[in-house]
Amino acid sequence: QITLKESGPTLVKPTETLTLTCSVSGFSVSTSGVGVGWIRQPPGKALEWLALIYWDDDKRYSPSLNNRLTLTKDTSRNQVVLTMTNVHPVDTATYFCAHIHADPKFDSWGQGTLVTVSS
Amino acid sequence: DIQLTQSPSFLSASVGDRVTITCRASQGIGTYVAWYRQEPGKAPNLLIYAASTLQSGVPSRFSGSGSGTEFTLTISSLQPEDFATYYCQQIKSYPLTFAGGTKVDIK
Repeated sequence: QITLKESGPTLVKPTETLTLTCSVSGFSVSTSGVGVGWIRQPPGKALEWLALIYWDDDKRYSPSLNNRLTLTKDTSRNQVVLTMTNVHPVDTATYFCAHIHADPKFDSWGQGTLVTVSS
Repeated sequence: DIQLTQSPSFLSASVGDRVTITCRASQGIGTYVAWYRQEPGKAPNLLIYAASTLQSGVPSRFSGSGSGTEFTLTISSLQPEDFATYYCQQIKSYPLTFAGGTKVDIK
C-alpha cells in the first residue's frame, strides 16, 4: 500500500525559507518510473502544481514560483524534500505531496499539511 | 502554459442525478487529462486518467470522455460522497496545470 506523509512547520515568517518533507512507504523513490510531486491549495482555492522529482533525479518546477523552489530526494530515508525560499503570506496553503508512475497523474496523495505565512 | 477552464464552477444536484462537468484546454492535448474528486477537508483522489480510463478502485458511475481541447466527466448517479469539488488536470506538458474546479453541492 502506497502512503505519503508531509511534515514541516505550520507557521513561517515572511521572507523565511520553508522546508517540507514527504516521507513515503509502499514504494521506493528510486524505482524506475516513479516520481513524487508537490501540489498546494490556498484556503478555499484551487490546486496548484509546484514541482516534481523523478526516480532518476529529473526535476520539474512551476515557472510561476520564479526559481524559489528546490527539490531533493533522500533514497536512504525514502523521502523527498521541497524547499521554498522567500515565502510571503500568499504562500499560505495546504501543501500536498503525491505519487506518480510514468505519466504525471497523481494516483496517491498525502493528507496535506497547512502552512501559514505570517509575522 | 496550457490553461484549463472548467464549467460550471458550481452546480447543485440531488442524490441519483446524472451530472456532467466540462474541461476545456487552451490548446490541443490529445487525451492527456486526469480528473480528481476532493471531498471537504481531504486530499484529492484520482478518478480518471488518459481522459477516459477509470482508475483502479473507482466506482463505475464515473466516466470520462473527450480529446483535443474538450473533455467531460460524467457521474451517472450521484451518491452522497460525490458532493465534493472536482478538478481536471492536464499531463501533456510542463508546467502541469489544474483547472479551477467544480463544486457539486446538494440541492
